[in-house]
Parts: sequence; C-alpha cells; structure tokens
Amino acid sequence: DQQVKQNSPSLSVQEGRISILNCDYTNSMFDYFLWYKKYPAEGPTFLISISSIKDKNEDGRFTVFLNKSAKHLSLHIVPSQPGDSAVYFCAASPQGGSEKLVFGKGTKLTVNP
Amino acid sequence: EAGVVQSPRYKIIEKKQPVAFWCNPISGHNTLYWYLQNLGQGPELLIRYENEEAVDDSQLPKDRFSAERLKGVDSTLKIQPAELGDSAVYLCASSLDRRHEAFFGQGTRLTVV
Repeated sequence: DQQVKQNSPSLSVQEGRISILNCDYTNSMFDYFLWYKKYPAEGPTFLISISSIKDKNEDGRFTVFLNKSAKHLSLHIVPSQPGDSAVYFCAASPQGGSEKLVFGKGTKLTVNP
Repeated sequence: EAGVVQSPRYKIIEKKQPVAFWCNPISGHNTLYWYLQNLGQGPELLIRYENEEAVDDSQLPKDRFSAERLKGVDSTLKIQPAELGDSAVYLCASSLDRRHEAFFGQGTRLTVV
C-alpha cells in the first residue's frame, strides 16, 4: 500500500498563475516532508522541506503547507514560470531527515506561456 | 561545489549478464543512498550507508544485488545476474548526515534485453 500519495498525475497552469500540488500520507509516524523537482533525464532536485512542528514553510516562490490532522501537504508555486515545468515528488520520513524517505509517484506540472 | 556524480548514464545489457554502477557523493557527505526508480513511480530506497557501514539494506534483493562503499566515499552497486525486470533508473544520493536533505545524482538508466 502506498504511504505517500500524489493523486494527480498531471497539472497544467498558465504562466503567472498559482500552481498547487497536493500530497496525502497515511503513516502518522511521518514527521518530516520534502518536495523534489525532477526534469527529464536528470535526478530529483531538492526543493523545500517542512517539519511536523510547523504548518508552513516558505522559500521565494515556493511555499509548503502541512495539515497534520488531515495528513495532507501541498506545494504552492507563485507565480508559476515555464521553467517550473517538471515532475514534482512529495517525500516523507519518520525520523526527521532523509533516513527512510518514502516517495509519492509524482505529479507532472506543465506551465504554459 | 560538484554534485553527486554517477556513471555510466546509460547501460544496455543482455539478461543474465552482470552490471555495475558507480557513485561519487558530494564531498563531506557521510550518508549515501542507492535508490531504484521504475517508470511512473517515485524512487525507492535500496540501501543506505553511514560512512562505510551499510545501516539499512532491508530493501536490497540480496540474491542478485550487492553494494559496497569502501573508505566511506565512492560506492558501487552491482547486479549479477541481471533480469529483465531490473530495467529501471538507479539513483545515488548523498546527505551530510541522515538528518539532512538528500541530493541526487543524474541516475543510471539500465535496460536489460
């Protein structure tokens, strides 16, 4: 069974608008969450993370929101740019780091000019 | 600063043949990971090293897969013999330690024919 779920395989948005990527998890032991971005033929690139003691973390155009009661997190990209077009992976860890990362299947974001 | 370096980038072999992948982590990173990524899936952990010690190899199919990290720096992942189902991308990642985010290499795409 999948412990980290990204239910939208793809998302398409217009340049300048907001992109919202969603992620749900089932394991209540997860306490650290990360987002990675992946371009074709490249490895995943770390984007942003959030600890379970917070409900929001912001880095430039990227903001991650965590709702522990709903076991849900989301990544907001504002404003979206064509260069943001990539596959975004949500990952979770039960031990505060990268020790036992569990990844979702990814969401392919396309930002149209 | 150089990132995680993997070689080769692509490898095509016949089934039952052996194959090896090499990884050079980011300098100073004590933790090294090997992940497997199948098409349409997120990365899945195969093995994690803390320095030269394999501290989590629970997901490594030990009948045909082996790994080593001599001197706690470079690492090699080997498959012998390879099967058709081993066709996938093999990703190496490293982190300062297990509490920090992991940085990925570009991966090795293996095709077994």
